[in-house]
Amino acid sequence: AQSVSQHNHHVILSEAASLELGCNYSYGGTVNLFWYVQYPGQHLQLLLKYFSGDPLVKGIKGFEAEFIKSKFSFNLRKPSVQWSDTAEYFCAVNALQAAGNKLTFGGGTRVLVKP
Amino acid sequence: SQTIHQWPATLVQPVGSPLSLECTVEGTSNPNLYWYRQAAGRGLQLLFYSVGIGQISSEVPQNLSASRPQDRQFILSSKKLLLSDSGFYLCAWSTPDRGFTGELFFGEGSRLTVL
Repeated sequence: AQSVSQHNHHVILSEAASLELGCNYSYGGTVNLFWYVQYPGQHLQLLLKYFSGDPLVKGIKGFEAEFIKSKFSFNLRKPSVQWSDTAEYFCAVNALQAAGNKLTFGGGTRVLVKP
Repeated sequence: SQTIHQWPATLVQPVGSPLSLECTVEGTSNPNLYWYRQAAGRGLQLLFYSVGIGQISSEVPQNLSASRPQDRQFILSSKKLLLSDSGFYLCAWSTPDRGFTGELFFGEGSRLTVL
């Protein structure tokens, strides 16, 4: 079965600091990769996704993620965070041949940005 | 546009009592429907998945069941709640299999506390 690991459960940053959240998955076949975000009091929503092509994908609000196939990783980055980036971030994987139309999520990382 | 609704938003139930959480989707036909449980530090765990009326896949053995009596209605149930059923339950939908993009659209969630 597929699994997704997010290395940090909690991250605390100051505004303007750079953010990188780690995500690794275990599945040897073709995958689609996602980062979802849940802002306080809001629905879980899609931040960015990778299906194919350029392994560096850009999402909303200045976020980007890089797919490194050899490392089974899909790390999320933002060069300069804002207080409004305080949220919980989830990495997710869709293992195309094995899992059909289902996503496997990581444990989430709570990010607190101090003003 | 498509919308998804879950209710109730909050529920406090005694151990041994029944449960019914409802989810409805508007503005789309034949969606894939999902029930996830979100637990702190453990991310989102897929509980049930449905590709059509009456078609339910159970992902983990548990005290819960799901039903899909109509195309855009998905119900999570239990005959007798356990303390361990406490949690935050999320309903989600995605486009049907042939058009599956991997993106899930989540409801507001239902917080269940079993006492």
